[in-house]
Amino acid sequence: SAVISQKPSRDICQRGTSLTIQCQVDSQVTMMFWYRQQPGQSLTLIATANQGSEATYESGFVIDKFPISRPNLTFSTLTVSNMSPEDSSIYLCSVVRDRITDTQYFGPGTRLTVL
Amino acid sequence: AQTVTQSQPEMSVQEAETVTLSCTYDTSESDYYLFWYKQPPSRQMILVIRQEAYKQQNATENRFSVNFQKAAKSFSLKISDSQLGDAAMYFCAYRGPNTGTASKLTFGTGTRLQVTL
Repeated sequence: SAVISQKPSRDICQRGTSLTIQCQVDSQVTMMFWYRQQPGQSLTLIATANQGSEATYESGFVIDKFPISRPNLTFSTLTVSNMSPEDSSIYLCSVVRDRITDTQYFGPGTRLTVL
Repeated sequence: AQTVTQSQPEMSVQEAETVTLSCTYDTSESDYYLFWYKQPPSRQMILVIRQEAYKQQNATENRFSVNFQKAAKSFSLKISDSQLGDAAMYFCAYRGPNTGTASKLTFGTGTRLQVTL
């Protein structure tokens, strides 16, 4: 597995503002992903964070709303822009360490509440 | 598109007993991967067990085992000797073949497991 940390662990924000969530891994990983888990729901993939290039977004998610950076093989950020109460969710990053097992390991998540 | 169905929103088991959580999926692929993740109240997603579709042998991890029925597209999780620490939300997840692109996981809606004394 991999040791994955996320910052902040939780935050309460005002509508119209933006929040950047950080995901840090203890060693280089091949792939990083960002998921959203709305209250009482399952996980939905937002995007794949690509190192050195633009993220690959899933249907229903756009770069203007969820800009993602991945400057190196151990770090990524997700920004939730122009927030509304509907953005209140848990945001989780996950990583794949090697493409042989291709197993995703998750960070502890960031609980976001938008007022 | 692939779908994952967990038909049991909630399950309850007594400590030391055995419980089985069900999961079915739909795919046209022949090579894929299935996972069970556990999410306790701390919200950390923890990998419980992993199954490769091309392997006929059911995966096991200590008290956790799966019953993988490829033809029926069924992937149930059996927890033996249940412990209080097993109480959590359990998610079944599907991943398609390794095509060299994003390894997208598709999750089911989850089953909340309660463990009683």
